[in-house]
Amino acid sequence: AQSVTQLGSHVSVSEGALVLLRCNYSSSVPPYLFWYVQYPNQGLQLLLKYTSAATLVKGINGFEAEFKKSETSFHLTKPSAHMSDAAEYFCAVSDGTGGYQKVTFGTGTKLQVIP
Amino acid sequence: DTGVSQNPRHKITKRGQNVTFRCDPISEHNRLYWYRQTLGQGPEFLTYFQNEAQLEKSRLLSDRFSAERPKGSFSTLEIQRTEQGDSAMYLCASSLGSGGPQEQYFGPGTRLTVT
Repeated sequence: AQSVTQLGSHVSVSEGALVLLRCNYSSSVPPYLFWYVQYPNQGLQLLLKYTSAATLVKGINGFEAEFKKSETSFHLTKPSAHMSDAAEYFCAVSDGTGGYQKVTFGTGTKLQVIP
Repeated sequence: DTGVSQNPRHKITKRGQNVTFRCDPISEHNRLYWYRQTLGQGPEFLTYFQNEAQLEKSRLLSDRFSAERPKGSFSTLEIQRTEQGDSAMYLCASSLGSGGPQEQYFGPGTRLTVT
């Protein structure tokens, strides 16, 4: 069964500091991995996705994530935090099997950016 | 393209009542998903449609829940005999394509409160 674990339900960083949000996955087959962002009172928006191409994936708003098979990780990073990055971030996994599109989400990490 | 829309945005109902939510996906998207999100959790998969066919249902979807997507366009999610445990945000998403998991576009959700 596929699953993701997000370490840290809340992360605080200073404006301009590095953002690192951790995600570890479990999947019986090579996975598809996603990071979504959710702003208050809005739906989830895709930041980036890994689909077995390049292991370093660049997304929107300056975010990127690196797929590390040996560590079963897909951590999200951004070199310099901006106040507008404050939101909740969800890591998600899909093993793409069974002919359907089930995506399993993590429990989320709320990012606080301190001025 | 106005994105995925959901109605109503908020619903308060008394225990035992039936409720119905509507989701209008992005017009050309052939896939539609329903998720449930409770406080402090990530979205949990409920069900998935490809065109008008309901291809996958989670065990979370008890017999009190039913979803339809007539003509492969909008979808409805009905909850019969609501319980307080049904209180949650119900999210709809849509995507286009075939094969592996595609980017899912989420609506803003319907927040259900059962009193």
